[in-house]
Amino acid sequence: DIQMTQSPSTLSASLGDRVTITCRASQSISSWLAWYQQKPGKAPKLLIQKASSLESGVPSRFSGSGSGTEFTLTISSLQTDDFATYYCQQYNDYSPVNFGGGTKVEIK
Amino acid sequence: QLQLQESGPGLVKPSETLSLTCTVSGGSISRSTYNWGWIRQPPGKGLDWIGSIHYSGTTYYNPSLKSRVTISIDTSKNQFSVKLSSVTAADTAVYYCARHIYGSAVTADQWGPGTLVTVSS
Repeated sequence: DIQMTQSPSTLSASLGDRVTITCRASQSISSWLAWYQQKPGKAPKLLIQKASSLESGVPSRFSGSGSGTEFTLTISSLQTDDFATYYCQQYNDYSPVNFGGGTKVEIK
Repeated sequence: QLQLQESGPGLVKPSETLSLTCTVSGGSISRSTYNWGWIRQPPGKGLDWIGSIHYSGTTYYNPSLKSRVTISIDTSKNQFSVKLSSVTAADTAVYYCARHIYGSAVTADQWGPGTLVTVSS
């Protein structure tokens, strides 16, 4: 089974900061990785699929990169609306745990 | 605009079966390009993919839940459903229904608002 490890689990940052979240897969998943943003009490929102393909309507300050086992989500200039929890998800196969544990982005 | 809405009991007794339905509006679940599925989130914890279904009836399940889960679809009502048997307190979670992206039975691009199901006697 593929395991997904996300880091850090919590990140404190200021408005305008460049923020990077890392997701590692225990084995290669090619580019079959998605990133979600979730705000309290709300359903997750898909930001990126296939590692780097931005969903329609998602601000261009969000970007994804990586392939194989290491992936990153970058927010180029953190905005107020970006304080949330971010999850990666692999969809290379149907392993029991396909989401990362989440990264909470907090105000510094 | 596609909308999904979960419905079902908010309280289920231990050892009983949890049953939820997702009603889809603004689009047909019979479109061949999509799978429709369920994802849950225990309070204060991360996301857990349960499974999904294609309108043809093909199902995909999380191996850790497969023995207890059944997902079905009713194209005439534009609905799909999940049943989870022999529930315990560990199954307490917000349950989301979702549309999965083209070519995936796991990654979702449209979500319902979620419904909290508590397992308690």
